[in-house]
Amino acid sequence: AQTVTQSQPEMSVQEAETVTLSCTYDTSESDYYLFWYKQPPSRQMILVIRQEAYKQQNATENRFSVNFQKAAKSFSLKISDSQLGDAAMYFCAYFSRDTGNQFYFGTGTSLTVIP
Amino acid sequence: EAEVAQSPRYKITEKSQAVAFWCDPISGHATLYWYRQILGQGPELLVQFQDESVVDDSQLPKDRFSAERLKGVDSTLKIQPAELGDSAMYLCASSAGASYGYTFGSGTRLTVV
Repeated sequence: AQTVTQSQPEMSVQEAETVTLSCTYDTSESDYYLFWYKQPPSRQMILVIRQEAYKQQNATENRFSVNFQKAAKSFSLKISDSQLGDAAMYFCAYFSRDTGNQFYFGTGTSLTVIP
Repeated sequence: EAEVAQSPRYKITEKSQAVAFWCDPISGHATLYWYRQILGQGPELLVQFQDESVVDDSQLPKDRFSAERLKGVDSTLKIQPAELGDSAMYLCASSAGASYGYTFGSGTRLTVV
């Protein structure tokens, strides 16, 4: 089965600064998707950004961008101009077509934004 | 904006009692998932439906858990009897397809006492 590793259980960033959350994954597949989800204290998971593996261009959504290194199987999330509302758990997820359209989640990174 | 509806939001039950959770996915989403999330951990898949059919329930503890999606729309997850270790957040999600990711509901927080 695919594995997703988030090696940073906790991160903190000063408001307005930039922070990068790390994610690596293990797969032998070539066709897959990668996602970052945000889970605020209210507990609802919210999609932040997605990346198709066949696209070389890194995805960007406003202040959120990814650094997708396919050969290194790395998928980091960069949050620019951090805001207090960015404080949450962030989960990296791998979506596999070959194993029944399932998502595999990492263990999460808890992000604290310091005013 | 369309949402995945879940109820109840919170549930406290005594050990050995039965408990049920309900999920109504976004209209038109054929794929529905139930996840269990223990505090501080990532979600773990319990069961996946495609329309009314179970695609994957390999991680579902079938001696006490059951799930159904009779008409391929809303779904119910049941636990009987509940055990202390079942205390967790139970998340429902639906998907329109691979490239769109999941849309999650707000979850049901279960506490077994």
